[in-house]
Amino acid sequence: AQSVTQPDIHITVSEGASLELRCNYSYGATPYLFWYVQSPGQGLQLLLKYFSGDTLVQGIKGFEAEFKRSQSSFNLRKPSVHWSDAAEYFCAVGAGGNYQLIWGAGTKLIIKP
Amino acid sequence: DSGVTQTPKHLITATGQRVTLRCSPRSGDLSVYWYQQSLDQGLQFLIQYYNGEERAKGNILERFSAQQFPDLHSELNLSSLELGDSALYFCASSVTGAKGYNEQFFGPGTRLTVL
Repeated sequence: AQSVTQPDIHITVSEGASLELRCNYSYGATPYLFWYVQSPGQGLQLLLKYFSGDTLVQGIKGFEAEFKRSQSSFNLRKPSVHWSDAAEYFCAVGAGGNYQLIWGAGTKLIIKP
Repeated sequence: DSGVTQTPKHLITATGQRVTLRCSPRSGDLSVYWYQQSLDQGLQFLIQYYNGEERAKGNILERFSAQQFPDLHSELNLSSLELGDSALYFCASSVTGAKGYNEQFFGPGTRLTVL
């Protein structure tokens, strides 16, 4: 069965430092990949998505993610975080033909001033 | 603003009661998804409707039901409520959802508290 793992429940980063959030999936072929962000008290918002083509994907708010087939990963990165990036980040995978997204457990990003 | 609206924003009720959560998808979106988000279970997919028909079921309890109306708005009905049903309930919509993995647009959620 397909699965998505976000190994880090919490990550603390200093403001201005770089960020990488990890996402690993289990699926035999190339899935559809998404990163969503949930700010406190808000719904989820799409940051970026990968369907095919260039494995480095640019998203909103200065985020990017790289699809690495050999590692079954789709890690989210940002070169310099801002306090407003404090939120929970979810990786989601679409795979298997049933058109449902499989969601990771989320990573809560805490920004140190 | 995603264009997806949910009402009410907050709901407080007692165990054993029944509530209805409402969702209006983005204009033009045919698919509606319902999710439950709780601290211990994370984000759980409940059910999907596409153009009025049930498309897929996830971890939805038998006490819960949903429907999508001809105007494409959807309602999630929760009955015989238990303390453990306290959670954030999100609705999301997408363009099709019949085929392919389309971006889902999320509403702001309804926070349900069962006392």
